[in-house]
Amino acid sequence: EIVLTQSPGTLSLSPGERATLSCRASQTLSRNSLAWYQHKPGQAPRLLIYGASSRAIGIPDRFSGSGSGTDFTLTISRLEPEDFAVYYCQQYDTSLGGFGPGTKVDIK
Amino acid sequence: QVQLQESGPGLVKPSETLSLTCAVSGDSMRGFYWSWIRQPPGKGLEWIGYIYSSGGTNYNSSFKSRVNISISMSKNQFSLKLNSVTAADTALYYCARHEYIIGSGWRPVEYWGQGILVTVSS
Repeated sequence: EIVLTQSPGTLSLSPGERATLSCRASQTLSRNSLAWYQHKPGQAPRLLIYGASSRAIGIPDRFSGSGSGTDFTLTISRLEPEDFAVYYCQQYDTSLGGFGPGTKVDIK
Repeated sequence: QVQLQESGPGLVKPSETLSLTCAVSGDSMRGFYWSWIRQPPGKGLEWIGYIYSSGGTNYNSSFKSRVNISISMSKNQFSLKLNSVTAADTALYYCARHEYIIGSGWRPVEYWGQGILVTVSS
């Protein structure tokens, strides 16, 4: 079973600042099968990044993903008010691909 | 545009069966995997299991003994039954769609329902 860990648990930042979120897998993900989702209360999770670095359709370019193997990063270059949310990484290397515990980005 | 909508009771008694349905619109169900994913209060996302359009299933081992996912292509819907529920099954339940591409492997979950809160309480 591939286990994902995310850090930090909470990131307190101001609008306009840069956010850097990390996700680490317990084993190498083939094809960099790593996705990032944004989740706001009362809404469905929204796919942001797939394949570690490809933006999903309609996702602003302030969101970028990087990394390979076991270490991955989601960067939000300049936080907009609507970006304050919880962010999950997910591996889809295996069926029933697990999710990380999430990083909450809140307003400082 | 694919749309998924969960429905079912918002309150279930302990030891009873949680039953939810997900209505799918905007695309055929054929060739895709249809999942149930949940989020207990204050916790992260947890995959319960999925069903392929032809009926094959795969369940998270944590639920294997008490879960059943079924599909009705004629009704464009799929369903979740979780037996012997306890307070620990209180969660926001999401239905979702993903796919497997031959030669490329699994794809991330692109389509989700809005979620339905199910509370287990007497």
